[in-house]
Amino acid sequence: SYELTQPPSVSVSPGQTARITCSRDALPKQYAYWYQQKPGQAPVLVIYKDSERPSGIPERFSGSSSGTTVTLTISGVQAEDEADYYCQSGDSSGAYVFGTGTKVTVL
Amino acid sequence: QVQLVESGGGVVQPGRSLRLSCAASGFTFSTYAMHWVRQAPGKGLEWVAVMSYDGNNKYYADSVKGRFTISRDNSKNTLYLQMNSLRAEDTAVYYCARGDYYGSGSYSSSIWGQGTLVTVSS
Repeated sequence: SYELTQPPSVSVSPGQTARITCSRDALPKQYAYWYQQKPGQAPVLVIYKDSERPSGIPERFSGSSSGTTVTLTISGVQAEDEADYYCQSGDSSGAYVFGTGTKVTVL
Repeated sequence: QVQLVESGGGVVQPGRSLRLSCAASGFTFSTYAMHWVRQAPGKGLEWVAVMSYDGNNKYYADSVKGRFTISRDNSKNTLYLQMNSLRAEDTAVYYCARGDYYGSGSYSSSIWGQGTLVTVSS
């Protein structure tokens, strides 16, 4: 298996841009996915296949991939975006690998 | 609407067993792989197990291999997790999640249950 490493925390002022990275330490590359999780709630998928946004997810959420790093960008951060964010990928068996998680704080 | 509802959590002593259930509705359960994911208090998400849509393939995290068994009953639209030889470190909220296929052997989950808390303590 492999690991996905995220920064423990990111702080951002309202209206600014938050960027959360997720680094893979091994190949082969699989798509990356991003979840938002608020306290006491189940995770919510906000980005799939590196950069696609599910219906109902605000346009301010976007994803990108470059080499072994994927990035979740939240443009024009709002107070409601304060949450934990997890990247996720997988292996050939269908198992999930989750990132270490990033707490986004809106100042 | 599309929904997953877990049940069966509770307080259990170390070494004992517990079985979790996940009832699915609003989609064709028998055509989806299904996962169990857990989250210890204050910690991150940890994948536990996956079962293929037809029950023929299943995989486990090393941390639960040999102690936990995933199963499903497609006639009842229900996923199960039998947890034996429970340890304090198994204390977590357990979520079931639908496995959505995105091509190139890649899966994620757009549908999650609300979770059920398992506490292993004497």
